[in-house]
Amino acid sequence: GENVEQHPSTLSVQEGDSAVIKCTYSDSASNYFPWYKQELGKRPQLIIDIRSNVGEKKDQRIAVTLNKTAKHFSLHITETQPEDSAVYFCAANAGGTSYGKLTFGQGTILTVHP
Amino acid sequence: DGGITQSPKYLFRKEGQNVTLSCEQNLNHDAMYWYRQDPGQGLRLIYYSQIVNDFQKGDIAEGYSVSREKKESFPLTVTSAQKNPTAFYLCASSIDLLRGSTDTQYFGPGTRLTVL
Repeated sequence: GENVEQHPSTLSVQEGDSAVIKCTYSDSASNYFPWYKQELGKRPQLIIDIRSNVGEKKDQRIAVTLNKTAKHFSLHITETQPEDSAVYFCAANAGGTSYGKLTFGQGTILTVHP
Repeated sequence: DGGITQSPKYLFRKEGQNVTLSCEQNLNHDAMYWYRQDPGQGLRLIYYSQIVNDFQKGDIAEGYSVSREKKESFPLTVTSAQKNPTAFYLCASSIDLLRGSTDTQYFGPGTRLTVL
């Protein structure tokens, strides 16, 4: 089955700096890669996603890049703000008949210091 | 994700008891999922269902059971066979790829289960 590895597990930055979180996946049939943000005690919220026919996608201060050959994708947050502090999860879908199934990374705790 | 509800928000269970967690969605989504989240860890898939009256085991199905009798409902039962059930349980739903164009999963607010 799919295996998703996420690094780093914790990330601390100063307000205004950039933050980068990286994930690798194992299933070459995966074609959908979402990123979720989860605040303490809350539900995960989708912040951005990318499909395998695209190499990069941006939404204001957030961008995701995908390298299908190397099987890795990354989340980039620019001009970080204290409200960006949360746990971020990457995920990859399964190929074949289980295409709706997502496998999540272990999460990255991002702390943005004012 | 406001169309997915879970109840109760907090649940306490005595050892040896079965408990059922509710998940309802009004988004007309075909697929529904149950995840378990332990402190400091990612989401692990328990069960998922891509269509009514059908469901599949996820990565950690032992000690859990589900049913999918209606499109909008996907209850999860935590049985006494689950040895360490204390966790945060999240339900999600998505449009099935057979008809839709996305795998995006939308999550409910979660149920925090504690075994006493």
